Amino acid sequence: QLQLQESGPGLVKPSETLSLTCAVSGGSISSRSYYWVWVRQPPGKGLEWIMSFYYSGTSYYSPSLKSRVTMSVDTSKNQFSLNLNSVTAADAAVYFCARRPWNNWYFDLWGRGTLVTVSS
Amino acid sequence: QSALTQPASVSGSPGQSITISCTGTSNDVGDYNYVSWYQHHPNRAPKLLIYDVSNRPSGVSNRFSGSKSGNTASLTISGLQTEDEADYYCSSYTASRTWVFGGGTKLTVL
Repeated sequence: QLQLQESGPGLVKPSETLSLTCAVSGGSISSRSYYWVWVRQPPGKGLEWIMSFYYSGTSYYSPSLKSRVTMSVDTSKNQFSLNLNSVTAADAAVYFCARRPWNNWYFDLWGRGTLVTVSS
Repeated sequence: QSALTQPASVSGSPGQSITISCTGTSNDVGDYNYVSWYQHHPNRAPKLLIYDVSNRPSGVSNRFSGSKSGNTASLTISGLQTEDEADYYCSSYTASRTWVFGGGTKLTVL
């Protein structure tokens, strides 16, 4: 059964770059059947979609975060990563990776999330 | 993109039914039948409950059902059980080719 596992630094300083990784086990990240997704949840707030990408390189970004977000894929490790630069306290959140079936508009599998705190 | 509007909390007794609303706009909920609902227990992975307004994935109890009218979608949980106590989120695809979530609803089973 496919599983997603997020990992990250836990603590990031303001103005620095946040880097998170989502390890995919039990399936291939190069599958044509899925988009891979990042979602976050600031403390006490709701979920916020960050971005989705497809193995071919097609990506979609939240307009509010697009200028600060980049992503990368490591097919040899079957994982994908999110980089968010120039972080502020507003970027503190639990970050989730998830999966969206191709040609569908929901997220059918999620990781448990990783907490990121922004503080000097 | 503004978040979808959900009540902050709802409560019910075991065996009862509750409904959680999710209000968006004509650019998301009102224009697409791509509303989904997720259940989130603390420190666990969110779980897909409903997709495309009213469809249940395999393995999800038929006590969970979804509907939509205009710009408002709804999740109904019937026969409440203690394990249903969790946070619930709605989501919709939008006209901007992005996704928007609701602020979340905390369900308390009394």
